[in-house]
Amino acid sequence: DQQVKQNSPSLSVQEGRISILNCDYTNSMFDYFLWYKKYPAEGPTFLISISSIKDKNEDGRFTVFLNKSAKHLSLHIVPSQPGDSAVYFCAASTLEGGKLIFGQGTELSVKP
Amino acid sequence: EPEVTQTPSHQVTQMGQEVILRCVPISNHLYFYWYRQILGQKVEFLVSFYNNEISEKSEIFDDQFSVERPDGSNFTLKIRSTKLEDSAMYFCASSDEKAETQYFGPGTRLLVL
Repeated sequence: DQQVKQNSPSLSVQEGRISILNCDYTNSMFDYFLWYKKYPAEGPTFLISISSIKDKNEDGRFTVFLNKSAKHLSLHIVPSQPGDSAVYFCAASTLEGGKLIFGQGTELSVKP
Repeated sequence: EPEVTQTPSHQVTQMGQEVILRCVPISNHLYFYWYRQILGQKVEFLVSFYNNEISEKSEIFDDQFSVERPDGSNFTLKIRSTKLEDSAMYFCASSDEKAETQYFGPGTRLLVL
């Protein structure tokens, strides 16, 4: 099931710079997209989401961009901090209360 | 801040044994879910539960699996006869009436020997 794909397994960024994590999807019926952050041996922690009727949502240092025509979303973290180092998952759903389809995750490392 | 809790954090069992994984969702949430993540793989959906019944289940969720909400607070996942390939992290999640954002628990690491 490759409906949601994160093609970069890892990303390394210098502290203070921008981190850009990317996610592609194939199912045009997805109407809600989420980003989760996960530390080892912990559950996914919700970060930010976006509805398919929007193209941008911002929350503090985190901004999610949605390009429906390209079936692509991205998470921008600026400025990046060492505490942001974790695995980031994008996820998508097709209806309210519906299952989340996850990407494979991107491991972000922010170096001091 | 309210959070989803899960017990136990770790469970080791012998193949063929029954296990029950427990979850306490966030108190005013109405939708409940189980997911699992096999080591090195994606987080996979197992089942969703709403209004005291299963609303959706994946191919993984076969007759060996069942879910129950025995009271107003707990949500359980039972695996009747565990197999080696059931070894994984199992995550419970819940969402409120808007059903947009799912909040995850810390997970139960299940090891089947």
